[in-house]
Amino acid sequence: QVQLVESGGGLVKPGGSLRLPCAASGFTFSDYYMNWVRQAPGKGLEWIAYISGSGHTIYYADSVKGRFTISRDNAKDLLYLQMNSLRAQDTAVYFCARGVRSGWYFDYWGQGTLVAVSS
Amino acid sequence: EIVLTQSPATLSLSPGERATLSCRASQSVSAYLAWYQQKPGQAPRLLIYDASNRAPGIPARFSGSGSGTDFTLTIRSLEPEDFAVYYCQQRSNWPPGLTFGGGTKVEIK
Repeated sequence: QVQLVESGGGLVKPGGSLRLPCAASGFTFSDYYMNWVRQAPGKGLEWIAYISGSGHTIYYADSVKGRFTISRDNAKDLLYLQMNSLRAQDTAVYFCARGVRSGWYFDYWGQGTLVAVSS
Repeated sequence: EIVLTQSPATLSLSPGERATLSCRASQSVSAYLAWYQQKPGQAPRLLIYDASNRAPGIPARFSGSGSGTDFTLTIRSLEPEDFAVYYCQQRSNWPPGLTFGGGTKVEIK
C-alpha cells in the first residue's frame, strides 16, 4: 500500500537549517508529482512546494521562495525539503503529499514531522 | 493570490443531520477545487476533487458542487466519524500554486 514517511524534524535556532526526507513506498515514485504542505500549531494548511515526477518542474509558495529547496531522488524513492534561514514562523508540522491531477490535489499524505524554530 | 473563505467557521450538528459547508474564492477557480477532511493528530484526507468528484473510497454521503467562485461540500447524514475539520483547496495555473481555505470545524452538538 502507499506509504509516505517523513523524518528529520526537530528543534532548530532561528537562521538555522534542516533537511526533511520523505520516504515513499507502495507506488512508482517517479510517476508522481510530490508536494510539501505545512501546518502551524493550531492553524490551517499551507502548501509550500511542488515537484514534478522528473524533478524538472518546481514551484514554491512566496513564503519560502529563496529559502527552501524541494528535490527528489527517484532511484531511492526519496523526496527532500532543504530549509535554510529558518524563522520562528516556519514552526509547523511538515507533511509530504502525493499529487494527482497534474500534481495539484493530494491523495496520500505522510504523518508529518514537527519543526520548531526557537532560540 | 486567490483567497478561499470558508463558512461557517464552526458547525454544530447532531449525528444523522445534514451538513452544508461553503467555500468562496476571491476570483474564479473554474472547477479546480478540492475538499479535505482532517481529524486531530492526523494528516488530511482527500474527499472531493475538481469540485464534484469523490476520491476513491469516499462514502457517497459526501458530495461537492459549485464552480467559479462558490462551492459547497454536503454531508448527507453525519456519521460519528465525520466530526472533523474540513478544508477546501484551489489550484491556479498562474502564478502556479495553490491555497487552502481556513477550515470549517464540524462538531457534535
